[in-house]
Amino acid sequence: KNEVEQSPQNLTAQEGEFITINCSYSVGISALHWLQQHPGGGIVSLFMLSSGKKKHGRLIATINIQEKHSSLHITASHPRDSAVYICAGSGGSNYKLTFGKGTLLTVNP
Amino acid sequence: DVKVTQSSRYLVKRTGEKVFLECVQDMDHENMFWYRQDPGLGLRLIYFSYDVKMKEKGDIPEGYSVSREKKERFSLILESASTNQTSMYLCASSFPRQPYEQYFGPGTRLTVT
Repeated sequence: KNEVEQSPQNLTAQEGEFITINCSYSVGISALHWLQQHPGGGIVSLFMLSSGKKKHGRLIATINIQEKHSSLHITASHPRDSAVYICAGSGGSNYKLTFGKGTLLTVNP
Repeated sequence: DVKVTQSSRYLVKRTGEKVFLECVQDMDHENMFWYRQDPGLGLRLIYFSYDVKMKEKGDIPEGYSVSREKKERFSLILESASTNQTSMYLCASSFPRQPYEQYFGPGTRLTVT
């Protein structure tokens, strides 16, 4: 059974800080998805990656296939980055996603 | 612009009522999913459908049923709502191919009193 472990569960930062959220996953997962959910809002996909690194604005996602580990980094954090960040894994012919429990990020001004 | 819509953002129902949650996608996706999201438990799959009239149970199907009569529409039914079904319900859709990116609706916050 595919598994995804995410940490930390909660994270509080001051505006401008560099933030890292971590995700470990089990054998069988070949792609990692990072999702964002603002309070009261729907879920949007930030990144999908199966190797290397992707960058979009102040957000960077990396994946280490050998270690089965992915990180989401936010540079120069801002209060509008406050949200729940969720990592999810997909793999093989199984089109279901396996979700981590999410990280609640609060960025204070 | 791709879109998944859900019939209600907020819903309040009484114990024992039959509840219908509807989801519509305009992306011609084969796969559609219903999740519930609870604090500390994350997203849990209730049911998914891979084609019209086809469905499979997810991790927590008890107390729920689904209907998919048209490709774009996937309904979640609570036959007799109970207080432990108070939750956020999210619908999603995807193509049946890698990397299986799912597009989510805005969610329905259901309260059963």
